[in-house]
Amino acid sequence: AQKITQTQPGMFVQEKEAVTLDCTYDTSDQSYGLFWYKQPSSGEMIFLIYQGSYDEQNATEGRYSLNFQKARKSANLVISASQLGDSAMYFCAMESGTASKLTFGTGTRLQVTL
Amino acid sequence: GAGVSQTPSNKVTEKGKYVELRCDPISGHTALYWYRQSLGQGPEFLIYFQGTGAADDSGLPNDRFFAVRPEGSVSTLKIQRTERGDSAVYLCASSLTPGSSYGYTFGSGTRLTVV
Repeated sequence: AQKITQTQPGMFVQEKEAVTLDCTYDTSDQSYGLFWYKQPSSGEMIFLIYQGSYDEQNATEGRYSLNFQKARKSANLVISASQLGDSAMYFCAMESGTASKLTFGTGTRLQVTL
Repeated sequence: GAGVSQTPSNKVTEKGKYVELRCDPISGHTALYWYRQSLGQGPEFLIYFQGTGAADDSGLPNDRFFAVRPEGSVSTLKIQRTERGDSAVYLCASSLTPGSSYGYTFGSGTRLTVV
């Protein structure tokens, strides 16, 4: 079975600072994909970044980067230069093997302060 | 359309009633997914369509839940004899192909409240 663990229910970060949101995963499949989504109070899930299990380089998308450590089964999201608009829930998710569906963690609520 | 559209955005129904939730995916997206998000939790998979057929319905909690996608585009999630425990946000997502590294595009969800 696939499992995503996010151990930080809430995080605070000051504007313009960097923050790391933790995610560990468990799967027995060799081929899998890891996703991060942002969910603002409006409820929509916004895709941020993707890392494939065979990708050798860490994924980056603008201010978002994914710190992928395969041996440790971790896929932490790093947000650089935080902005007030980054305040939201952040979910780590995995698609594993041939299953075309996402398994989500419980999320981390990020609050960016002045 | 430009994004995934879900209607209604909010639905309040009485226990025991029947409800239908609609999802209009991005044009051309062959894969469509339904998820349920309870308060304080991450979304949980319900069902996945590839074209018109349900390729994986392993997440449907019981036989009160059913979903269709008759023409391979719009999908309807149907819940019979609603219970208070069905209260949640129901999210729909679509993707160009299954397992797309571009991610799944989600709608804003339908908040279902069973009273």
